This record gives sequence, structure tokens and C-alpha cells, in this order.
Amino acid sequence: EAQVTQNPRYLITVTGKKLTVTCSQNMNHEYMSWYRQDPGLGLRQIYYSMNVEVTDKGDVPEGYKVSRKEKRNFPLILESPSPNQTSLYFCASSIGTGLADTQYFGPGTRLTVL
Amino acid sequence: EDQVTQSPEALRLQEGESSSLNCSYTVSGLRGLFWYRQDPGKGPEFLFTLYSAGEEKEKERLKATLTKKESFLHITAPKPEDSATYLCAVQGNTDKLIFGTGTRLQVFP
Repeated sequence: EAQVTQNPRYLITVTGKKLTVTCSQNMNHEYMSWYRQDPGLGLRQIYYSMNVEVTDKGDVPEGYKVSRKEKRNFPLILESPSPNQTSLYFCASSIGTGLADTQYFGPGTRLTVL
Repeated sequence: EDQVTQSPEALRLQEGESSSLNCSYTVSGLRGLFWYRQDPGKGPEFLFTLYSAGEEKEKERLKATLTKKESFLHITAPKPEDSATYLCAVQGNTDKLIFGTGTRLQVFP
């Protein structure tokens, strides 16, 4: 089944404790992206990647890191999480033709930083 | 700056009562406008892509239309299972998707 998977689905952590949220897709997609979703603010892009070893900042990149060493994986790293990073996070992927490709979303990771 | 505004924020309908959701946008060089459905606690599920003004697409009880300034998602004779948040997003000259904050639809039997 074609899908985007994220792990963990739920995470409660404390301020300053480094964490990684994994994202993997099995559709051979070039483009991958991370979003956060907050009430009243909608989905906002954190980082995206057009291909392996190519990443770029979205609208809200502060406090986050990403890497794209393999085509299928795009982990999101929070080096020193803070309470304002409590949010619902989604990974997405698309074919990546440079046109208006459909992005397919993972199931989400609900992160709480105490 | 690219921007998407959805209205209304919330909509309550009786089963069978047709209505429309609005998505107004400003974008430099529209490449595509997307509609997604999102159920509570789940990831957005793709519904439609519209590329140019005048285009229309249909899927079951849903029909999406596009003008140069806005898109409508028409829901005909909705059922309770259509209850969800409907998200609109646009892609312009950049590689980014810009999302609206969504319309939360509730359909009562």
C-alpha cells in the first residue's frame, strides 16, 4: 500500500531533550515536506526537500532541523524542544515534477513539550 | 504575499441540505489549487486539484470550481459521513503549499 508513515504518533517530552520524528514514504517520491498544524493557524511548512541532500526552509523553520540522506526518509529533528513547539506535525510527499503535484500526508505526530 | 482565506470557519448542515464552502486566494502565478479533507486526529486526505479558472471537478457529492480569485467546494445532499474539516491550499511560483485554516463541516441526520 502506498503510504507515508510517521513515528512516533504521540510523544510527550520535556524542554531541552533532543528528539527525532521519523518520516518514510514508499512511493519513490522526490519531494518531501514537514508541516505543523496549530489551532487557528492552519498548516504551516517547516522544511522541505526536493531530492536527496537538498533541503530548504519553509515558513517556520526556527528550532527544527532536517536531513535527507535517503530518498524515502526525511526525519525531523528538534535539538532543544521548547513548549511553543507543542503541536501536531505532518510529513508529506509528492512526485516532485516542479508543477502542482499532489502532496500525500502521513497520519501525524502529536508532540507535547512540557 | 501568497494568502488563502476560507469561509465560513464552521458550518452546520442538516442531512440533505446542500451548501458551498469558499476559498479566496491571492498568489503569484497560480500553479494549482488543492482541496483536502481532514478528519479529527488524522492527516489531510487529497480530494481535488484545479489548475486554471473555469475548471471543475466532481467526486461523489463534492464539486470543486475555480475562478481567478476563489474556489468553491459545493456539497450536494450531504450525509453525516461528510462531516470533517475541509482544507484549501494553493501553490504559486514557489515550491510551497499555502494552506487556509479550513472549514469545519458538521452534518446532522
